[in-house]
Amino acid sequence: NAGVMQNPRHLVRRRGQEARLRCSPMKGHSHVYWYRQLPEEGLKFMVYLQKENIIDESGMPKERFSAEFPKEGPSILRIQQVVRGDSAAYFCASSIGQGNEQFFGPGTRLTVL
Amino acid sequence: GESVGLHLPTLSVQEGDNSIINCAYSNSASDYFIWYKQESGKGPQFIIDIRSNMDKRQGQRVTVLLNKTVKHLSLQIAATQPGDSAVYFCAENYPGGTSYGKLTFGQGTILTVHP
Repeated sequence: NAGVMQNPRHLVRRRGQEARLRCSPMKGHSHVYWYRQLPEEGLKFMVYLQKENIIDESGMPKERFSAEFPKEGPSILRIQQVVRGDSAAYFCASSIGQGNEQFFGPGTRLTVL
Repeated sequence: GESVGLHLPTLSVQEGDNSIINCAYSNSASDYFIWYKQESGKGPQFIIDIRSNMDKRQGQRVTVLLNKTVKHLSLQIAATQPGDSAVYFCAENYPGGTSYGKLTFGQGTILTVHP
């Protein structure tokens, strides 16, 4: 029973490029959450999605960031025109329902040069 | 504001000792609390959770205590082992429309266990 999968594990981008982070939830889970973690800090909520719907995007920056969870395929977190401040670890979690235990993936570590 | 914080950023213990990690939360409406363990380079790993209708819950070598009066949460690890060395985060979840789902994490406590 595979857990939450994220890829790539490490991503290097130059300023101005686009970053695409992918997350496949655990089997049977239809709720996906994205969090960002800066070095030596806790995780900060970004966005909560269900299939084809954004439920809560209160933690998403207003510009350059977008997320989707299509009917088929993984959830995608997209960062356009990356800047150095976007360098962080991005974690995806999934749950079977709202308010249930969230299982985390291994994260994608984004480095912006 | 809504926040979850930790009293001690670092904790060093000897192998075999019991460890206690504390957490304060500010949202009295929170009804679900979770402790996560995060090892270097990995994602958070679920340890134990507790809902607000309980004040204590036990797992294997771990116990979570919830004091709603003072909005305090603690994680107790019995007979701490070197493999317990990691960063420990508490997280809270509170009901209220679409917000019920996102977790609010504390800063984290670094636990170091010396053999």
